[in-house]
Amino acid sequence: KAGVTQTPRYLIKTRGQQVTLSCSPISGHRSVSWYQQTPGQGLQFLFEYFSETQRNKGNFPGRFSGRQFSNSRSEMNVSTLELGDSALYLCASSWGRRETQYFGPGTRLLVL
Amino acid sequence: QKEVEQNSGPLSVPEGAIASLNCTYSDRGSQSFFWYRQYSGKSPELIMFIYSNGDKEDGRFTAQLNKASQYVSLLIRDSQPSDSATYLCAVQPDNYGQNFVFGPGTRLSVLP
Repeated sequence: KAGVTQTPRYLIKTRGQQVTLSCSPISGHRSVSWYQQTPGQGLQFLFEYFSETQRNKGNFPGRFSGRQFSNSRSEMNVSTLELGDSALYLCASSWGRRETQYFGPGTRLLVL
Repeated sequence: QKEVEQNSGPLSVPEGAIASLNCTYSDRGSQSFFWYRQYSGKSPELIMFIYSNGDKEDGRFTAQLNKASQYVSLLIRDSQPSDSATYLCAVQPDNYGQNFVFGPGTRLSVLP
């Protein structure tokens, strides 16, 4: 069974731009969670989607948003990028909301 | 604010020794506990999970859970240089609406 895939793997943007990241969960998994990882802050929870609905949200500004499609694929969007948004963005999928999470390879975003 | 704490390390052990990684959590009602390994520049990969008090063994890895003490540990027997990585402890809070809470991770270095 294929694992979680994320695209793109690397991205360079400038301040003020917006970016959209994509995540395809493991087949059959319906829950997708997004995390931001930085050296200083560790793994920070962004939001969780299940059955196309946002079920949970972390403590991030409204510039961070996401959505989930009927095939469970998910996207996250960051608008008006700031230098501090440079991070590894990880997507994790699970069969159900409280089940084991499996991570994708991540998208490394650099904001200049 | 639910918290998960880990010693950031680095924890250095000689090859062949037992590495002991510890994690404490604040939410007494937490039910599920997970250990992830993350190599530098890579995404976290699941090592094992534990739900019940006591020990759970999987190859060279043993997870130990003590809910009364709110403590979970990971033992790595016969440590190898390839085990050198950051180990993340994750806790699923009792609140159904809350996502996993990750600890900051412990960096393990296995010396040849």
